[in-house]
Amino acid sequence: DAMVIQNPRYQVTQFGKPVTLSCSQTLNHNVMYWYQQKSSQAPKLLFHYYDKDFNNEADTPDNFQSRRPNTSFCFLDIRSPGLGDAAMYLCATSREGGVSTDTQYFGPGTRLTVL
Amino acid sequence: GDSVTQMEGPVTLSEEAFLTINCTYTATGYPSLFWYVQYPGEGLQLLLKATKADDKGSNKGFEATYRKETTSFHLEKGSVQVSDSAVYFCALNRDDKIIFGKGTRLHILP
Repeated sequence: DAMVIQNPRYQVTQFGKPVTLSCSQTLNHNVMYWYQQKSSQAPKLLFHYYDKDFNNEADTPDNFQSRRPNTSFCFLDIRSPGLGDAAMYLCATSREGGVSTDTQYFGPGTRLTVL
Repeated sequence: GDSVTQMEGPVTLSEEAFLTINCTYTATGYPSLFWYVQYPGEGLQLLLKATKADDKGSNKGFEATYRKETTSFHLEKGSVQVSDSAVYFCALNRDDKIIFGKGTRLHILP
């Protein structure tokens, strides 16, 4: 089945130690998104890629970076994780982007713990 | 700006009860409307969607109708099961930005 895959499902890192989360998709979708979801809250968009064009949300901290080396893969890098960055990180894809009828498909998420 | 308001939870029902989770939205133009479901420890799954006024989305016994006159997209199910226990998010998509409601946690008791 075509899908959005996130690895690892659970990640533990230490305060200040860089960490990378990965997302891959077999849907061949043009757009990939990263969301942060804290406990009992709605997902918050961090940034997204239209193909190779990177779009950062205005309130995303500089500590968060992303890379998309090809259509299938997208990475979230947290350069110096703080305790407040502990959350579920969700990757999503959509086919076209810029179209309100487009559906976003989510991966299972990576739960990040910062010690 | 665009926004989505959904009923506060948690909502607790007995198995086979009728479910309604209210959702209203504020948006300019013509957004698409969605319900996503999140089971414990999992990502979001699309439950149903509607892309224009009077459309009805349906899936797994859940239904919601896009009501432009009342700017609503209420989620309903005639007979809930224990396996429906999850968090439900109402959302709108305008120009590919999803605006989520805060989520409603649903508990179904056997």
